[in-house]
Amino acid sequence: GAGVSQSPSNKVTEKGKDVELRCDPISGHTALYWYRQSLGQGLEFLIYFQGNSAPDKSGLPSDRFSAERTGGSVSTLTIQRTQQEDSAVYLCASSLTRAAGELFFGEGSRLTVL
Amino acid sequence: RKEVEQDPGPFNVPEGATVAFNCTYSNSASQSFFWYRQDCRKEPKLLMSVYSSGNEDGRFTAQLNRASQYISLLIRDSKLSDSATYLCVVNGNSGYSTLTFGKGTMLLVSP
Repeated sequence: GAGVSQSPSNKVTEKGKDVELRCDPISGHTALYWYRQSLGQGLEFLIYFQGNSAPDKSGLPSDRFSAERTGGSVSTLTIQRTQQEDSAVYLCASSLTRAAGELFFGEGSRLTVL
Repeated sequence: RKEVEQDPGPFNVPEGATVAFNCTYSNSASQSFFWYRQDCRKEPKLLMSVYSSGNEDGRFTAQLNRASQYISLLIRDSKLSDSATYLCVVNGNSGYSTLTFGKGTMLLVSP
C-alpha cells in the first residue's frame, strides 16, 4: 500500500490477556517508530527501529511491552497481561531514514482493556 | 520543566483571523523542530519543518528562537479547515531520530 498500515484498527480485550498490534511501514522506509496516545494526551514514544534492530527502547513502559521487526519491514508490538491503563491508541510511524524529520503515521490501533 | 510544552488552548478565532502558537523546549542541544497537525481522531501529519532562519509556507510561518528555546507558528487568514490540534515536535536527547511531541494546541476556527 501507499501508506503505513496498522491492524487491528480496534481491539477490545479483557484485563490479563495478551494482544499483538501490527504495523506495515511504507516500502523502503528503514526507520519505524511506535507511539501511544491516551485520550486528551500527547504522543508518548515507545520504541524506535532502524532496520531490524531497536537502538532505542527507552519508552517501553514495562517489561510487559515488547516489539520486534523482521525483514526490515513489518513490526509487531506485543502487550502481555494487559491492564486497563494500557488502553490507548497505538500509532506506528515510518520514515525514510533515521535522520528524516517527516514521520508518516498509520491510522493507529485503538486498544480498549476492560 | 517538560521536554516540550504547549498551551493546550483551545484557541477560538473567527475566519480570517491571525493566530499564533508558541512552544518551549527544554533540551538546548535539540537540532530539529517541526509542527505537525492532528485532526480529531486522526493520525498526526507533518505541517512544516522549522528552520533557524524562519520559514513560510503560504499562510503559515514558523520561527525558531534558540536563545529562548521556543518555536512559534503563525497562521494568517484562518480557514475553517485549519481547525485541528497543532503539535510542536523536537528531536530528542538520544542522538537517534527520536522525536518528542508536545501535547498540542487546539485551534477552532468559526464562521
